[in-house]
Amino acid sequence: DMKVTQMPRYLIKRMGENVLLECGQDMSHETMYWYRQDPGLGLQLIYISYDVDSNSEGDIPKGYRVSRKKREHFSLILDSAKTNQTSVYFCASSSSTGGDTQYFGPGTRLLVL
Amino acid sequence: GEKVEQHESTLSVREGDSAVINCTYTDTASSYFPWYKQEAGKSLHFVIDIRSNVDRKQSQRLIVLLDKKAKRFSLHITATQPEDSAIYFCAAASSGSWQLIFGSGTQLTVMP
Repeated sequence: DMKVTQMPRYLIKRMGENVLLECGQDMSHETMYWYRQDPGLGLQLIYISYDVDSNSEGDIPKGYRVSRKKREHFSLILDSAKTNQTSVYFCASSSSTGGDTQYFGPGTRLLVL
Repeated sequence: GEKVEQHESTLSVREGDSAVINCTYTDTASSYFPWYKQEAGKSLHFVIDIRSNVDRKQSQRLIVLLDKKAKRFSLHITATQPEDSAIYFCAAASSGSWQLIFGSGTQLTVMP
């Protein structure tokens, strides 16, 4: 059963606190992604990971960093969260072939106060 | 870089009618065009895609058309049902690229 999981599903943090969002997949996909979704803006790519320790910035990487130490696990870290990072964050994965279907996790709703 | 514009932000149709959602893209190198559906409060899931070597693809009630000259592609949902109500996102990617560029989404409402 192909699945992308995300933890936590909901998170409230105060400005300046650190945030860790975790993502897992059971499809042995090499490529994983972190997006944020804001109303009216669609999905914006934060980071893409091609495999373990092979990460690249997406369109909006500022204020975020990522970690991928195992193929099935991809973390998004916000060091000193800001109120404008309040959003819904989605993780996705796809096979190594470019232009392949992306499978999305259920999302994490983050509120930064 | 690539930009994908989704022309209808909202669309309402009556149950049984067809719905059409249109997208345009800017990068002539784009060759992969998927569509995703997001139901209220849920995640995105893939519904259908088309690649640049064809101009039409159908999967049950979903039809995707691609006009490479106009750099335009569209999703047609025939015989709509209330469960088709959702936000639909179009996206585009260049050949061999891992990065999808998404449109801003179309909220489709199917009225009984």
